[in-house]
Amino acid sequence: DAGVIQSPRHEVTEMGQEVTLRCKPISGHNSLFWYRQTMMRGLELLIYFNNNVPIDDSGMPEDRFSAKMPNASFSTLKIQPSEPRDSAVYFCASSLTGYEQFFGPGTRLTVL
Amino acid sequence: AQKITQTQPGMFVQEKEAVTLDCTYDTSDPSYGLFWYKQPSSGEMIFLIYQGSYDQQNATEGRYSLNFQKARKSANLVISASQLGDSAMYFCAMSPLGGTDSWGKLQFGAGTQVVVTP
Repeated sequence: DAGVIQSPRHEVTEMGQEVTLRCKPISGHNSLFWYRQTMMRGLELLIYFNNNVPIDDSGMPEDRFSAKMPNASFSTLKIQPSEPRDSAVYFCASSLTGYEQFFGPGTRLTVL
Repeated sequence: AQKITQTQPGMFVQEKEAVTLDCTYDTSDPSYGLFWYKQPSSGEMIFLIYQGSYDQQNATEGRYSLNFQKARKSANLVISASQLGDSAMYFCAMSPLGGTDSWGKLQFGAGTQVVVTP
């Protein structure tokens, strides 16, 4: 069975550019989560969706970050404009029950 | 507000020995779930074990067991018979249960780096 799929796996961009991270959750899962992991702040929940509806975006750092889930099989996290402090590993996770969350491999973002 | 504390930044353990990773938590939610995840050097997050606050028995999954002491607000992970492949970062996490707005909203501890030596 395919797990959570994230693309790209690595992204290097310059400050000011728009970055779009993509996630395909496990088929049938109804909850999707975006996390960010940095050395300084650890793992942080940015936003999560339930049945494609954003439930809590209180973890989104600022207006430069936005997330969408147009359908049950696809979500994007967009940063515009990107800044060096956005450099991190971004994880997408999905869940059916709300208990066990299955994580994708992550996207390592470097903003120069 | 929830808080997860992992006080051990790193530890060494010899192969085939057991190791206990500490986790304490604080929450005002009446029911909650406690989780442990493993993150090897390759970076992926792997779910290990779950314990519900209402569960009477401690959770076990193969070589992993969760020592849940509700009164002390602790949820320590015990790995028995350590293997070299257990070398990784281990994260404790918790989430409120019940209520659409908070269900599944995981908060993670800082993690404990485990190195298993031959």
